[in-house]
Amino acid sequence: GENVEQHPSTLSVQEGDSAVIKCTYSDSASNYFPWYKQELGKRPQLIIDIRSNVGEKKDQRIAVTLNKTAKHFSLHITETQPEDSAVYFCAASKNTGNQFYFGTGTSLTVIP
Amino acid sequence: KAGVTQTPRYLIKTRGQQVTLSCSPISGHRSVSWYQQTPGQGLQFLFEYFSETQRNKGNFPGRFSGRQFSNSRSEMNVSTLELGDSALYLCASTPREGANTGELFFGEGSRLTVL
Repeated sequence: GENVEQHPSTLSVQEGDSAVIKCTYSDSASNYFPWYKQELGKRPQLIIDIRSNVGEKKDQRIAVTLNKTAKHFSLHITETQPEDSAVYFCAASKNTGNQFYFGTGTSLTVIP
Repeated sequence: KAGVTQTPRYLIKTRGQQVTLSCSPISGHRSVSWYQQTPGQGLQFLFEYFSETQRNKGNFPGRFSGRQFSNSRSEMNVSTLELGDSALYLCASTPREGANTGELFFGEGSRLTVL
């Protein structure tokens, strides 16, 4: 089965700095890679996603890059703000239904 | 539109008991999946239902089961509870038919504590 590894598990940055979270996956058949943000006590919510036919996608301060050859993808958050503090999960999925393999999460703290 | 609704939100059980959790998806969503969230383990896939049929199943023992009704509402059941079953159980629905449809819309979860 698919195995998704996520690093780092915790990350602290100063407000205004950039944050990068990295994930690797094992199954070359995976073709959809979403990122979810989970604030304390709340439900996970999709913040950005990328499909395997695209190498990079950007949405304002958030970007995701995908390297299919190396089987890794990364989340980049620029100009971080305190409200970016949350746990971020990467995930991978194949075209076989809505079965997602999640990473173990990164707890991001943005220090004002 | 109402979001994904899960009941109960919190429950405490003792070892050996069984529990049933309920999930009502967003209106019009036909795919419902369940995830177990524990500290340090992230979200682990339990199973997915689409049109009352289990479409995918994760690597959990047979004590974990589920079903989906004709109105797309879903239930999951855990029998013979163990301490390690303590977790947040999240239900998610998706808006479109077919495979790999994209965004999961999560409920707030049912937090199960097994004593």
